[in-house]
Amino acid sequence: EPEVTQTPSHQVTQMGQEVILRCVPISNHLYFYWYRQILGQKVEFLVSFYNNEISEKSEIFDDQFSVERPDGSNFTLKIRSTKLEDSAMYFCASNDLSSYNEQFFGPGTRLTVL
Amino acid sequence: AQSVTQLDSQVPVFEEAPVELRCNYSSSVSVYLFWYVQYPNQGLQLLLKYLSGSTLVKGINGFEAEFNKSQTSFHLRKPSVHISDTAEYFCAVSDRAGDYKLSFGAGTTVTVRA
Repeated sequence: EPEVTQTPSHQVTQMGQEVILRCVPISNHLYFYWYRQILGQKVEFLVSFYNNEISEKSEIFDDQFSVERPDGSNFTLKIRSTKLEDSAMYFCASNDLSSYNEQFFGPGTRLTVL
Repeated sequence: AQSVTQLDSQVPVFEEAPVELRCNYSSSVSVYLFWYVQYPNQGLQLLLKYLSGSTLVKGINGFEAEFNKSQTSFHLRKPSVHISDTAEYFCAVSDRAGDYKLSFGAGTTVTVRA
């Protein structure tokens, strides 16, 4: 069964450093998303991406964040200068138009900013 | 904009007992409704969804949920739980149009004891 994959599973970085979180969505899916979950809190929407551009972004997704689909398979989230409060689990998700909005989630990347 | 309230943050339950997890939502537009489960150290897995039609929906692992439009609720139930149902459960909603981003509740931790 196809699945969304994410790498790395755990990333530790120093405050101020840039990180890139990688996702490989399901191959025939057209919508891509990033969500985050700070420890002990709810899952929050960050950004959606469709047709090679951002479809919608939350107020969390400020200028420090960017997304890219550099090739036909990867979908990346970049944080330019990490802050302590960026420490969270980051989930990638994808869906296709035929399944309405049943989003398929990856296993997540745990980002720890020291 | 939508919001989701999960009324119980923690639900301890004995094995083979029934469980109900409560979810209420608010939205100015029609929504799709979802329940996701997150097992320890794993990503989010769809349990069930309500798109339209019958208000009682059945999902995987013996779970079901009932959509109540007048009470804006989507409570999740299982008549007999197993130890393996120990997990965190998230209720989520999305618009019926646009990019279908999900808005999550804070989650309910279910702990099943023998």
